[in-house]
Amino acid sequence: EVQLVESGGGLVQPGGSMRVSCAASGFPFSSYEMNWVRQAPGKGLEWVSYISSSGNYIYYADSVKGRFIISRDSAKNSLHLQMNSLRAEDTAVYYCARVKHPWYFDLWGRGTLVTVSS
Amino acid sequence: QSALTQPRSVSGSPGQSVTISCTRTTSDFGDHNYVSWYQQHPGRAPQLIIYDVTKRPSGVPDRFSGSKSGNTASLTISGLQAADEADYYCCSSAGTHTLSVLFGGGTKLTVL
Repeated sequence: EVQLVESGGGLVQPGGSMRVSCAASGFPFSSYEMNWVRQAPGKGLEWVSYISSSGNYIYYADSVKGRFIISRDSAKNSLHLQMNSLRAEDTAVYYCARVKHPWYFDLWGRGTLVTVSS
Repeated sequence: QSALTQPRSVSGSPGQSVTISCTRTTSDFGDHNYVSWYQQHPGRAPQLIIYDVTKRPSGVPDRFSGSKSGNTASLTISGLQAADEADYYCCSSAGTHTLSVLFGGGTKLTVL
């Protein structure tokens, strides 16, 4: 089955760090570009970060630039998001999403909730 | 900075048609067909329903259609059904020297 499964969410204090991951299966993960998209409680979708299939090209939203790091391990079919210096406004469900060109997200995981609170 | 503006809510009765607009500020969508639409039911992940402005993924009913004119893209849902009640988001990419992905604020569709 073609799917993405996120893990690693939970409660973290402001200023802390957390790493969320996404396990891909059912498709050639190394051939696809991947993204993280988040959704704060009761709010809309916000794109967070992109990584190319090779990992050579990486982009971030301004809201997370300098604090978050996206990476991938194609040998393990996994995508990661290392989140540092977390703020209350980073509280959200984090989805990993596969992207196809010219540009659309054709496969989404179920998401993992990250709560930043003291 | 460019943004995508959607109405916060729309409604319609079963069998009717509704259209959700997505307006891009500061510039139009140009010749790029980088507009997609997503349906999200409460507590669920978003699901792609329209890509490349007008195309439907396999399994999406032809009651869903997309279009674009200038700086406004639109999603039309015809023959409304109760199951169509959900949030809908438009999405577009931007940026010449970097990548910027924009989502609209979302539209809540209520089937009366």
